Amino acid sequence: DAGVIQSPRHEVTEMGQEVTLRCKPISGHNSLFWYRQTMMRGLELLIYFNNNVPIDDSGMPEDRFSAKMPNASFSTLKIQPSEPRDSAVYFCASSFVPVNYGYTFGSGTRLTVV
Amino acid sequence: AQSVTQPDIHITVSEGASLELRCNYSYGATPYLFWYVQSPGQGLQLLLKYFSGDTLVQGIKGFEAEFKRSQSSFNLRKPSVHWSDAAEYFCAVGEVLTGGGNKLTFGTGTQLKVEL
Repeated sequence: DAGVIQSPRHEVTEMGQEVTLRCKPISGHNSLFWYRQTMMRGLELLIYFNNNVPIDDSGMPEDRFSAKMPNASFSTLKIQPSEPRDSAVYFCASSFVPVNYGYTFGSGTRLTVV
Repeated sequence: AQSVTQPDIHITVSEGASLELRCNYSYGATPYLFWYVQSPGQGLQLLLKYFSGDTLVQGIKGFEAEFKRSQSSFNLRKPSVHWSDAAEYFCAVGEVLTGGGNKLTFGTGTQLKVEL
């Protein structure tokens, strides 16, 4: 198994541009999570999906952030327009519920907005 | 609401010395507890997890953790630290959600430095 795959690994963009982060969960996992990691705030849960349905997006910081999961093997996190304060590492994780409550994390996307 | 506290932001140990990283949680029911490790530039890797049963759980890389309900703690231990253990360690508590799925709440992490 290739694990959770995120792309791109690094993204540098200018303020105001649209940014799309991608995630492919582990095959067979039915829950998917997007986290943001910064020095100031640590790991923050942005949104999670169960069986492709968004369950809780209360962690999404603003309307500029949106996430979709059109099928069980793909999810996107979009920021439009991006701002410098969005600079962070964004992680995707997947899990199989209810048997296994541990997450498998991707390697993350390091986003820099200049 | 559930929460996790890792009181030590940084810890430095000598290679070969024993290690204990502290974790305290707040959760109303029986907790599901986890330890993750993050190496620089990498995602988080699961070290071990506790659901029920034996309160001493073994994980990968020679790590173990002990669940103590009376102290609301789940401390991570290793008898002899290797230089490659230098990383950031996160404790997390899991919650099963009525809407489906489960949610992990992470502590702020402990940065481990290993002196040769």
